[in-house]
Amino acid sequence: NAGVTQTPKFQVLKTGQSMTLQCAQDMNHEYMSWYRQDPGMGLRLIHYSVGAGITDQGEVPNGYNVSRSTTEDFPLRLLSAAPSQTSVYFCASRVTTGENYGYTFGSGTRLTVV
Amino acid sequence: ILNVEQSPQSLHVQEGDSTNFTCSFPSSNFYALHWYRWETAKSPEALFVMTLNGDEKKKGRISATLNTKEGYSYLYIKGSQPEDSATYLCAFPQTGANNLFFGTGTRLTVIP
Repeated sequence: NAGVTQTPKFQVLKTGQSMTLQCAQDMNHEYMSWYRQDPGMGLRLIHYSVGAGITDQGEVPNGYNVSRSTTEDFPLRLLSAAPSQTSVYFCASRVTTGENYGYTFGSGTRLTVV
Repeated sequence: ILNVEQSPQSLHVQEGDSTNFTCSFPSSNFYALHWYRWETAKSPEALFVMTLNGDEKKKGRISATLNTKEGYSYLYIKGSQPEDSATYLCAFPQTGANNLFFGTGTRLTVIP
């Protein structure tokens, strides 16, 4: 049981490049989400999904796309990287039924856009 | 967008001291309140999910209380140890049980 797996752990991009951050979970969690962590700010929600085929925007969705073709995978795409997207990105999942369960987080992807 | 505030922002205590910090959240339409522990270079780990007014949860030397009527939760650490050094986050769901809105955290340093 690996939990939530994120790849890559580190990435440097040039402005304008695109890339996909991968997130996979093996816990059969229906809910998955992407957050970004910036200095002095709390974790901010980018996009989320409540099940395969269903995605929606969070607080800071601009410049990012997501898809959810399977329960296990929830990739985050940067369409045209900008320096403002330099951040640490976390994927998190949880069961959707029952309010007493916390999120399980991946280990994070540190992205630098130059 | 909800407002979740944590205080203090940072805290230094001596090993063996007990300490506590506060999370304030909107008291209307309460669903749940989460606490997470986030060690440097790791990812956040769930400590507690609290749902009932007056709830008190405990995990080893760490405990938390909840007051949904006045919109606050306290996290207590008894007899702090260096391994307790971490940032402690609270979070409040924006949509039912999901889409957590996180506070900026309280960074605890326990000095040996």
